[in-house]
Amino acid sequence: DIQMTQSPSSVSASVGDRVTITCRASQGISNRLAWYQHKPGKAPKLLVYGASTLQSGVPSRFSGSGSGTDFTLTINSLQPEDFATYFCQEASSFPSFGGGTRVEIK
Amino acid sequence: QLQLQESGPGLVKPSETLSLTCTVSGDSFSSRAYYWGWIRQPPGKGLEWIGSFYYTGSSYYNPSLKDRVTLSGDTSKNQISLTVTSVTAADTAVYYCARRDHGKYFFDSWGQGTLVTVSS
Repeated sequence: DIQMTQSPSSVSASVGDRVTITCRASQGISNRLAWYQHKPGKAPKLLVYGASTLQSGVPSRFSGSGSGTDFTLTINSLQPEDFATYFCQEASSFPSFGGGTRVEIK
Repeated sequence: QLQLQESGPGLVKPSETLSLTCTVSGDSFSSRAYYWGWIRQPPGKGLEWIGSFYYTGSSYYNPSLKDRVTLSGDTSKNQISLTVTSVTAADTAVYYCARRDHGKYFFDSWGQGTLVTVSS
């Protein structure tokens, strides 16, 4: 099974900051990686798929990059509504998720 | 607009069976275009995929859970059901249903989730 390791587990940031979250796969997964945003009590929201393709309606301050085993999600100019937990997902054999990164207000 | 709503008992006793339903509105779960999945998140832990269901009745499951999990669908109610047998405290989690495009690997729509606690 492929393991997905996310870092950091939490990050404190201010509005306007740039935040970078990393996801590492235990084996190469090409670009088959998705990122989601999750707020407490809400449905998780797909942000990025194919490692770098923004889902329709997602603000352009979000971007994804990477291929193989190392991937990043970057949030440029953090907005108040971006404080949430973010997690990655791959599905080479079956869906597997990273542990999540909580973006907190500094 | 697609909406997914999970429902079921919030408390289940150890060794009993957990049963949840996901009601699909704004789309038909018997659409050929989609798989319907269940994912859970135990308190303080990461997400775990449970299984996925296709309208034809075919399902596939997380190997770690496949002996205890069954997915099924009800076309008349536009619902997908999850059953987990012989539950323990380790099955305490928020349970989500989600839609995955056939042929793709990611989930483009999720429900808000429902908390199930396993306790006597």
